Amino acid sequence: QVQLVQSGAEVKKPGASVKVSCKASGYTFTSYGISWVRQAPGQGLEWMGWISAYNGNTNYAQKLQGRVTMTTDTSTSTAYMELRSLRSDDTAVYYCARAGLSGYYDYWGQGTLVTVSS
Amino acid sequence: EIVMTQSPATLSVSPGERATLSCRASQSVSSNLAWYQQKPGQAPRLLIYGASTRATGIPARFSGSGSGTEFTLTISSLQSEDFAVYYCQQYNNWPETFGQGTKLEIK
Repeated sequence: QVQLVQSGAEVKKPGASVKVSCKASGYTFTSYGISWVRQAPGQGLEWMGWISAYNGNTNYAQKLQGRVTMTTDTSTSTAYMELRSLRSDDTAVYYCARAGLSGYYDYWGQGTLVTVSS
Repeated sequence: EIVMTQSPATLSVSPGERATLSCRASQSVSSNLAWYQQKPGQAPRLLIYGASTRATGIPARFSGSGSGTEFTLTISSLQSEDFAVYYCQQYNNWPETFGQGTKLEIK
């Protein structure tokens, strides 16, 4: 069965960086993309970007350009999302999700809470 | 950026009744519209894609309709497990955008 398993919760200070992993199993990793979506406490869903696991092409949300990098390691079927220069308003649960060619997200990771606090 | 607007923000419905949730796009997204359900402490779950196709394992009481800019999610007979927050998402254009959500609560 398809599974996306994310790394554990993180606590970071403002200005630091965080790297969240998302290990995929149960399907051919390179046949899909991975999108990252975050959710601030009590808020809605915010699309952060997408990466093709086939060729590494990326598309990032404009507001995060320059601070976010998404990568994949096809040898371990793992996707990564790194966010730099963290601010308090980056505190959120970060989700990875499998994205097919059509674009919707049929499987999601369990979420990773990133807390940014001094 | 396409803005997705959901209404109402909160919907109070009794178990067994029908619930109708709306989603409007600021410009046409064709049928590239998905609906997700999210319960507290859980990741979102895909319900509907292509505006009207139920995802694998989703009960028939969930149905989606619409195209272009106006979309509807209908839950025909609410079960206790259906009370949650529902989000629409357009994936016609980047950035892929979500509505702000509709909270479906027990009346």
